[in-house]
Amino acid sequence: SQTIHQWPATLVQPVGSPLSLECTVEGTSNPNLYWYRQAAGRGLQLLFYSVGIGQISSEVPQNLSASRPQDRQFILSSKKLLLSDSGFYLCAWMETGHSYEQYFGPGTRLTVT
Amino acid sequence: QKEVEQNSGPLSVPEGAIASLNCTYSDRGSQSFFWYRQYSGKSPELIMFIYSNGDKEDGRFTAQLNKASQYVSLLIRDSQPSDSATYLCAVNSMNTGGFKTIFGAGTRLFVKA
Repeated sequence: SQTIHQWPATLVQPVGSPLSLECTVEGTSNPNLYWYRQAAGRGLQLLFYSVGIGQISSEVPQNLSASRPQDRQFILSSKKLLLSDSGFYLCAWMETGHSYEQYFGPGTRLTVT
Repeated sequence: QKEVEQNSGPLSVPEGAIASLNCTYSDRGSQSFFWYRQYSGKSPELIMFIYSNGDKEDGRFTAQLNKASQYVSLLIRDSQPSDSATYLCAVNSMNTGGFKTIFGAGTRLFVKA
């Protein structure tokens, strides 16, 4: 069965510091991968998605970037965090078959101070 | 701008009642429709998906889809306090970069014991 991991689970970083969040998927090949952010009490904002190694689509202009160095690895980065980057970061993978449902990792709660 | 709209709630129902959650979407080309449950502080969990007009039942949950009206609903029968959560409606559409899922902001459900 498929499993998706995210780390770290929680993170407190000062404004202006760098960021690296990692997501890995097990038990599937060539998945579509997604990064979302959820601000407190808000819906899911799609940040990036990837349909293959090295292929990244950005949804919103911001100080974040994403990379997919391996088939089942997706990384979210920032060179300098802003206060507004605080939130719950969720990685998801999509089953590319009949129904195309997404499955989420456990998430990383980021607080920028 | 493709949108998915949900009543934010909170929707409060007594234990044992039927909870009815509704969602409308703007993209007529949408192909797959999903309901996720999100407990406070946790990541979303897929509970139902539907892609054909009509009803789909899974245990106490029934998803209903009306593509002509661009309307999706979720019925929860015999509601339990453990069903108290935020329910996210999600809609899938094909874009040039692949399948993309648009999420509603969610409806908070409270089931009173």
